[in-house]
Amino acid sequence: NAGVTQTPKFRVLKTGQSMTLLCAQDMNHEYMYWYRQDPGMGLRLIHYSVGEGTTAKGEVPDGYNVSRLKKQNFLLGLESAAPSQTSVYFCASSGGVLANEQFFGPGTRLTVL
Amino acid sequence: GNSVTQMEGPVTLSEEAFLTINCTYTATGYPSLFWYVQYPGEGLQLLLKATKADDKGSNKGFEATYRKETTSFHLEKGSVQVSDSAVYFCALSDKGGSEKLVFGKGTKLTVNP
Repeated sequence: NAGVTQTPKFRVLKTGQSMTLLCAQDMNHEYMYWYRQDPGMGLRLIHYSVGEGTTAKGEVPDGYNVSRLKKQNFLLGLESAAPSQTSVYFCASSGGVLANEQFFGPGTRLTVL
Repeated sequence: GNSVTQMEGPVTLSEEAFLTINCTYTATGYPSLFWYVQYPGEGLQLLLKATKADDKGSNKGFEATYRKETTSFHLEKGSVQVSDSAVYFCALSDKGGSEKLVFGKGTKLTVNP
């Protein structure tokens, strides 16, 4: 039981390049989330999904797209990376029950030059 | 909108000292409240939670009580250990169905031997 895994762990991009971050969970959770963590800002929600085939915007969605084609996977895409997207990205999942715990992945550290 | 304000750090304590990290919130309705902990180089993990007024969450010697009258959820521990060194995040989730979390900015705790 791996929990929540994220690929890759580290990545360096040049401005304008694109990439996809992959999140996978093996807990059969309905809800999945993408957050970014920046110094002094805490974690901010980018996008989330309440089930396979659904996605919704969070607090800071601009510049990102997501897809949830399979229940266990949640992909975060950057179409044209900008230096402002340099951050640590965390994926999380939960069972969807009221006040259920969110389980976090280990994070992806992205640097955009 | 919903928001969480927590004590700014960093906080440095000696082993066996008493810890308090203040957290207050603004929310419509009655959110669920959480404390998450992030150890160096890792993702977040749930420390404790409370779902209604006067509930006390507790885990690993940490405690927090949901105070509706003061809109607070302060984290306390009677005797900290070096292994408690981490970043602590207060968070709330609305009960609107998506269980999205709104985080405070985090408080870094360092415990010295």
